[in-house]
Amino acid sequence: KNEVEQSPQNLTAQEGEFITINCSYSVGISALHWLQQHPGGGIVSLFMLSSGKKKHGRLIATINIQEKHSSLHITASHPRDSAVYICAVGKGGSEKLVFGKGTKLTVNP
Amino acid sequence: DTAVSQTPKYLVTQMGNDKSIKCEQNLGHDTMYWYKQDSKKFLKIMFSYNNKELIINETVPNRFSPKSPDKAHLNLHINSLELGDSAVYFCASSQAMRQTYNEQFFGPGTRLTVL
Repeated sequence: KNEVEQSPQNLTAQEGEFITINCSYSVGISALHWLQQHPGGGIVSLFMLSSGKKKHGRLIATINIQEKHSSLHITASHPRDSAVYICAVGKGGSEKLVFGKGTKLTVNP
Repeated sequence: DTAVSQTPKYLVTQMGNDKSIKCEQNLGHDTMYWYKQDSKKFLKIMFSYNNKELIINETVPNRFSPKSPDKAHLNLHINSLELGDSAVYFCASSQAMRQTYNEQFFGPGTRLTVL
């Protein structure tokens, strides 16, 4: 079993819908990252968080350290949000990131 | 100005050949990484350098050798290429130390196809 599990694997939504992508991990972590991989292949860092909640525009990321769970929310989704969203954790005591398998989001107009 | 650049973007080669992928960052970061993304889009760390010093070396075949001539460059040389090496290779960088606490900036990726 992967140390980082994401759900759902695939998600299709209509424009304007509220989106939630979940990430659960089974190891102690130093930080959790959310990344976005565009259809063209480029990867962009969206958030890095170790507690609480962060917000950038329509994107919100939350983390619950006790439950070892993080969520990425997209409000008022738009077709340009279509991408693969990847959760990655920095394992405690290690300098490397361990990645989830990604959630492919498709937002239809 | 591109923050993290990689060359080439595409690389098609025959089994058994030796090839290199170059990476450069102009962000002033001290730490650079190589990641491999397989056909199922799963990302895995291969190597990490901090200020030209190797700090992460995952279970990667000896045919893969990273080289960091200075902290702005991290190149990946692959000897005796095999079919299973076909993947997209991403370079990334972040600020120094406690890397997992720092945002990582990714290059555009190099799609390697071994025939």
